[in-house]
Amino acid sequence: AQKITQTQPGMFVQEKEAVTLDCTYDTSDPSYGLFWYKQPSSGEMIFLIYQGSYDQQNATEGRYSLNFQKARKSANLVISASQLGDSAMYFCAMREGTYNNNDMRFGAGTRLTVKP
Amino acid sequence: KAGVTQTPRYLIKTRGQQVTLSCSPISGHRSVSWYQQTPGQGLQFLFEYFSETQRNKGNFPGRFSGRQFSNSRSEMNVSTLELGDSALYLCASSLVVSGQGWGGYTFGSGTRLTVV
Repeated sequence: AQKITQTQPGMFVQEKEAVTLDCTYDTSDPSYGLFWYKQPSSGEMIFLIYQGSYDQQNATEGRYSLNFQKARKSANLVISASQLGDSAMYFCAMREGTYNNNDMRFGAGTRLTVKP
Repeated sequence: KAGVTQTPRYLIKTRGQQVTLSCSPISGHRSVSWYQQTPGQGLQFLFEYFSETQRNKGNFPGRFSGRQFSNSRSEMNVSTLELGDSALYLCASSLVVSGQGWGGYTFGSGTRLTVV
């Protein structure tokens, strides 16, 4: 069964600094996608970035990058130049590509607080 | 392009009542998934619908049900509400149905249900 682990319940970062949110996963499917979502207090889940298991290069989207280490089964999110508006819950998720019944599974989340 | 629309945004119901939540996916997305989010359990998968058929179901009691219409809009129903059903219910749509790839989800803003 697929499993997502986020070991940091809460993180603090100074405005304009970079921060790394950790995520490890477990799957036996060779084809899978890894995703990061941001959830502000309003509740909406906002898609940030994704990485496919066969992608050779790390994904980047603006200030977000995904540090994908396949052998270690980790998919850490790096946010550069943090802004106050980055304060939110961040969820790592995975969806397997081959198996049936492969709903997207989520980690427990990391609450990021950006300090001015 | 319109996003995923969930209605209503907020709902207060009394224990024992039933409730119906609605979700309109992104145009062209035929897969709709539902999640329950609570502080204690995190994001838990409820079910997935594709082409009016339930493709996948999470570990929830039979009081939780859903359906999908020919225009891909989906509804979920909870009967005999319990206090523990208080949660944020999130709907997500995808181009990709489970078992045919790992396409990402686009989420709606959620329906916050309070059972009193």
